[in-house]
Amino acid sequence: GESVGLHLPTLSVQEGDNSIINCAYSNSASDYFIWYKQESGKGPQFIIDIRSNMDKRQGQRVTVLLNKTVKHLSLQIAATQPGDSAVYFCAENGVLGGGYQKVTFGTGTKLQVIP
Amino acid sequence: GAVVSQHPSRVICKSGTSVKIECRSLDFQATTMFWYRQFPKQSLMLMATSNEGSKATYEQGVEKDKFLINHASLTLSTLTVTSAHPEDSSFYICSALSGGALDTQYFGPGTRLTVL
Repeated sequence: GESVGLHLPTLSVQEGDNSIINCAYSNSASDYFIWYKQESGKGPQFIIDIRSNMDKRQGQRVTVLLNKTVKHLSLQIAATQPGDSAVYFCAENGVLGGGYQKVTFGTGTKLQVIP
Repeated sequence: GAVVSQHPSRVICKSGTSVKIECRSLDFQATTMFWYRQFPKQSLMLMATSNEGSKATYEQGVEKDKFLINHASLTLSTLTVTSAHPEDSSFYICSALSGGALDTQYFGPGTRLTVL
């Protein structure tokens, strides 16, 4: 079945270093991906998205890379800060039959920033 | 822009009672809203898709008579957990999108439900 998964459940990074969070997806028909950040007790917060016609997209301190050949997605955070500590989810957003949209979330990676 | 609110933020109720959770899109009209539940240290699981003016579409394994969804307007969807039991205790999160294919979903802050 469809699945979106993450390689690392927990990632510890020194403050100031770069963070890389990985995600694998299995549905080759997926054409839109989003990274969300979720802090404890809060709803997911949109970080950055990428469509399948792109392989890289940059935001403020964040970059998402998409490798459709191996169905892999990554989120890079430059100069990681303590405020980046959270759980990060990749999500696959697709339009199913009849125009029905569905988001499938990965299992999540907890990012711990060490001061 | 794209702010979604939920009310209440947390609720504690006795077993057997019903609880209503509201999800509102504050600065846009949401043709579609989604309801998720999230257990501790787990990912979000989609419960149902709510379209304005029509019946919700429930995911497999989600009881529609247990989790009543009403999307009465373009800015409000409600989830009612009927005859709540302790196993219904969870973090319930809604999201909304303004329409069109592959639109980004914006999430509410979540509602923590504890059933005693």
